[in-house]
Amino acid sequence: DAKTTQPNSMESNEEEPVHLPCNHSTISGTDYIHWYRQLPSQGPEYVIHGLTSNVNNRMASLAIAEDRKSSTLILHRATLRDAAVYYCILRDPDNFGNEKLTFGTGTRLTIIP
Amino acid sequence: DTGVSQNPRHKITKRGQNVTFRCDPISEHNRLYWYRQTLGQGPEFLTYFQNEAQLEKSRLLSDRFSAERPKGSFSTLEIQRTEQGDSAMYLCASSYGQGTPLHFGNGTRLTVT
Repeated sequence: DAKTTQPNSMESNEEEPVHLPCNHSTISGTDYIHWYRQLPSQGPEYVIHGLTSNVNNRMASLAIAEDRKSSTLILHRATLRDAAVYYCILRDPDNFGNEKLTFGTGTRLTIIP
Repeated sequence: DTGVSQNPRHKITKRGQNVTFRCDPISEHNRLYWYRQTLGQGPEFLTYFQNEAQLEKSRLLSDRFSAERPKGSFSTLEIQRTEQGDSAMYLCASSYGQGTPLHFGNGTRLTVT
């Protein structure tokens, strides 16, 4: 399975943008980049995913490097409720054996009031 | 709330006892996944069902573990002869189709004393 590398932890001030990086230098051409987050005492929650183009949804934006070897999850205006562990995961939807998500240890995001 | 439901939320058992957890996926989701999460780690894949068929099992799933999904609806995960190392959060997730986002429940926390 292609691997991702994320910082163990990050801090950000409330109401400021947050940029969470992810490196995936061995990404294959058919791998999608998925982001999930896990709030305290809850199961993981889907955030966003993309293949090549930048993506936006109501929760976040995903910026993907042109060579696809890295990506950045952007929270435009962090709130205290965004404090969570964020996981960057590669997933190939056409690879039957890769249906499962393989989680790393993620980035623990702390929001400072 | 029509999300993924897991019961019980907490289970404390003595070493050597058997335990069973239940997961009710989102209706019409044909894929169901079980994960295990220990403190400070990301969720680890255990097994995966498509409808009632168990299609993949992790090497983490020893012969003391068994999962079923009769009629392709709810699923149960049973652990026989529990050991202290089985203490963890057991997460269930479901998805609508291949490559679609996973929706996680809030897990069952197992403590083996």
